[in-house]
Amino acid sequence: GNSVTQMEGPVTLSEEAFLTINCTYTATGYPSLFWYVQYPGEGLQLLLKATKADDKGSNKGFEATYRKETTSFHLEKGSVQVSDSAVYFCALTGSSNTGKLIFGQGTTLQVKP
Amino acid sequence: GAGVSQSPSNKVTEKGKDVELRCDPISGHTALYWYRQSLGQGLEFLIYFQGNSAPDKSGLPSDRFSAERTGGSVSTLTIQRTQQEDSAVYLCASTNSAIRQETQYFGPGTRLLVL
Repeated sequence: GNSVTQMEGPVTLSEEAFLTINCTYTATGYPSLFWYVQYPGEGLQLLLKATKADDKGSNKGFEATYRKETTSFHLEKGSVQVSDSAVYFCALTGSSNTGKLIFGQGTTLQVKP
Repeated sequence: GAGVSQSPSNKVTEKGKDVELRCDPISGHTALYWYRQSLGQGLEFLIYFQGNSAPDKSGLPSDRFSAERTGGSVSTLTIQRTQQEDSAVYLCASTNSAIRQETQYFGPGTRLLVL
């Protein structure tokens, strides 16, 4: 079945450091891929998405490229800020016609000043 | 405009009691989803509604869990005879189409604690 695997957290970085959170997936067909973020005390919100191979999603300085050959969708940011501290979830919607999201286990990012 | 709202925001109940969780989706969104976020299981899908019908209930963990949606809008998730393992944050999401590319908009969640 469909699944998503994220790197284990927590990830602790200093401000302005480079961020990579790895995400790989298993899916039949052509899934859409998403990164959702959950800031402390807030609800889950979409960060970025990509709907076909080689697409790059980007938002707020974050980027992720849909790599079908490596079944990956790694999240990157060149210079993190304290305000980026949050839990990041990689997710996919598979080939079913329901649009339900399959999530990875989440990666906690803490950015220190 | 208004986002997805959920009530109550927090619920503490005793083992064996029934609870009802409510979700108000974004107006006009035809697709509605329930998910559960728990420490042991992460974020997992429970049920999907298209209009008032639920073509995918595959994530409901047991027959103690049920959900309905009325008027193509409000949805209620009911847990009967609650158990301690039901303690989790229950999230509702909506979207205007259930195709796989669409963004789902999440509510703030209901934090359920079963004592």
